[in-house]
Amino acid sequence: GAGVSQTPSNKVTEKGKYVELRCDPISGHTALYWYRQSLGQGPEFLIYFQGTGAADDSGLPNDRFFAVRPEGSVSTLKIQRTERGDSAVYLCASSLGGAAGGQYFGPGTRLTVL
Amino acid sequence: ELKVEQNPLFLSMQEGKNYTIYCNYSTTSDRLYWYRQDPGKSLESLFVLLSNGAVKQEGRLMASLDTKARLSTLHITAAVHDLSATYFCAVEGYGGATNKLIFGTGTLLAVQP
Repeated sequence: GAGVSQTPSNKVTEKGKYVELRCDPISGHTALYWYRQSLGQGPEFLIYFQGTGAADDSGLPNDRFFAVRPEGSVSTLKIQRTERGDSAVYLCASSLGGAAGGQYFGPGTRLTVL
Repeated sequence: ELKVEQNPLFLSMQEGKNYTIYCNYSTTSDRLYWYRQDPGKSLESLFVLLSNGAVKQEGRLMASLDTKARLSTLHITAAVHDLSATYFCAVEGYGGATNKLIFGTGTLLAVQP
């Protein structure tokens, strides 16, 4: 497809478990972002990739969160030892970068930690 | 720290009426975005405003940017029910290469028939 895709669309897990969330950006987009949106809030920045490297991971809440983008395309957000407070919608966005490069968002993964 | 505030947080309006949503931000930025989000859906890009004085219009929506006042507005003309959604403004973090977006709290718009 032409847009950003994310899998799974929904993930229910138990407290303490490990989860992986996948993002497939728009083809040719070098910049990739992860955001987290809690109920009734705006998205909050987590991490930004330019190519394969994490250029800014200042939004990751703690060391249980990690993300990779090994080939500069697909990215995986990994959460260890999940907590109930991690429940949210995790959004991925990609862009061409540069002055006119708006960010295009995927449908998100709704994570529920029981 | 860049902060983005929107008001109102909730707006109930009748079809056919006009209204404006305001977005204020706290530090310098030259790029501002407006997104629409329907319940349970992701964010749809509406406008990208890249310079002071920029004005863009699409259908019944018009967005403007005043970088000196650190203010953007989203004006709704003759509202229709299909415009009911949550609208977010977002400002690009200034400095460095991040281009991360800082979002406002959102404005929930309900257009009543």
